[in-house]
Amino acid sequence: DQQVKQNSPSLSVQEGRISILNCDYTNSMFDYFLWYKKYPAEGPTFLISISSIKDKNEDGRFTVFLNKSAKHLSLHIVPSQPGDSAVYFCAASGRAGGTSYGKLTFGQGTILTVHP
Amino acid sequence: KAGVTQTPRYLIKTRGQQVTLSCSPISGHRSVSWYQQTPGQGLQFLFEYFSETQRNKGNFPGRFSGRQFSNSRSEMNVSTLELGDSALYLCASSPDSWGTDTQYFGPGTRLTVL
Repeated sequence: DQQVKQNSPSLSVQEGRISILNCDYTNSMFDYFLWYKKYPAEGPTFLISISSIKDKNEDGRFTVFLNKSAKHLSLHIVPSQPGDSAVYFCAASGRAGGTSYGKLTFGQGTILTVHP
Repeated sequence: KAGVTQTPRYLIKTRGQQVTLSCSPISGHRSVSWYQQTPGQGLQFLFEYFSETQRNKGNFPGRFSGRQFSNSRSEMNVSTLELGDSALYLCASSPDSWGTDTQYFGPGTRLTVL
């Protein structure tokens, strides 16, 4: 039962253009969503997050959009740079306690390649 | 502030052995979570500790265990290693008491079981 899904295994974008990474979730108890960037053999690096009470959050070149009715979130990177090439994971958490404590549920990741 | 640190970074063991991995969270963070990353299963939650208590556990066999010390440092132990335990083991710490807010990850320990 995959509660967080990233349906695109890979995405290729030209430098300077927009990168859009998508994520879908099924568990309606999730109320906090995060995006992480990861290089091989390293730990994930936190990029940006959004609470379920918002539908948009911006931080520099990164914007996350949340559509609760569709259970869908997306990460926009504008403009894309070659240094953005990495694996991007979306993750979700709930705050109901119990089986939610300390648990992030991750998607399978999307490999982003930004070409110069 | 220093980030999350994990030791050792690389480890090679043989089947049947046991292993202990260590994690030091960001100063002031009391929640520590552990994850296993494999190519087939992705990032899977192992367990979470807060104030020396395990509050949550993922769907892993009892061979996987952990503990947390009074200074919030945490260890995880895997006994009777199997080939399928080869993975990147990640530790993450969080500043909030739920442990479900933003988690900051360490570099991981790459475990290879031969």
